[in-house]
Amino acid sequence: AQTVTQSQPEMSVQEAETVTLSCTYDTSENNYYLFWYKQPPSRQMILVIRQEAYKQQNATENRFSVNFQKAAKSFSLKISDSQLGDTAMYFCAFINFGNEKLTFGTGTRLTIIP
Amino acid sequence: DGGITQSPKYLFRKEGQNVTLSCEQNLNHDAMYWYRQDPGQGLRLIYYSQIVNDFQKGDIAEGYSVSREKKESFPLTVTSAQKNPTAFYLCASSINRGGANVLTFGAGSRLTVL
Repeated sequence: AQTVTQSQPEMSVQEAETVTLSCTYDTSENNYYLFWYKQPPSRQMILVIRQEAYKQQNATENRFSVNFQKAAKSFSLKISDSQLGDTAMYFCAFINFGNEKLTFGTGTRLTIIP
Repeated sequence: DGGITQSPKYLFRKEGQNVTLSCEQNLNHDAMYWYRQDPGQGLRLIYYSQIVNDFQKGDIAEGYSVSREKKESFPLTVTSAQKNPTAFYLCASSINRGGANVLTFGAGSRLTVL
């Protein structure tokens, strides 16, 4: 069975600083996809970034980037120049290629301090 | 605008009652999902459906039932057999992007058993 582990239940950082959220996963497959979703206080889940396992280049979306280490099965999210609107729960998620079921981690609650 | 509508946003239920949560999407997505969210446990899959008139159990289907009579609709019934139904419920739909199921979520429904 696939598992996703987020070892940081809570984090906080000053506004404008950089923060990294960690995620590790376990799978025996070679082709899969990894995601970071954001859930702000409104509780609306929003896709932040996606990474395909076959791509060596780390995905980037504006201030959000990932550090994907396939051999280590690690998928961390870096938020640069953090903003108050980044305050949210962040969930790491995983799906095997061709599968229909997305597996989520338990989340990291991130607070940006003004 | 296209999206997913969940209703009601808040629902209270007495023990022994069945309740139905509504989920409607106008994104023309084929796949729809129901997740349950509890504090500290991330999102857990209850049921999912890839096509009309077909659905599969997720990881925690006991005490729940679904139907998929229309592409746009995927209602979830929480039955009296569900022993601990108080939770936040999220509906999602998906379209394959490059082979990965990127989920679009509704705003959620909060169910409280009195």
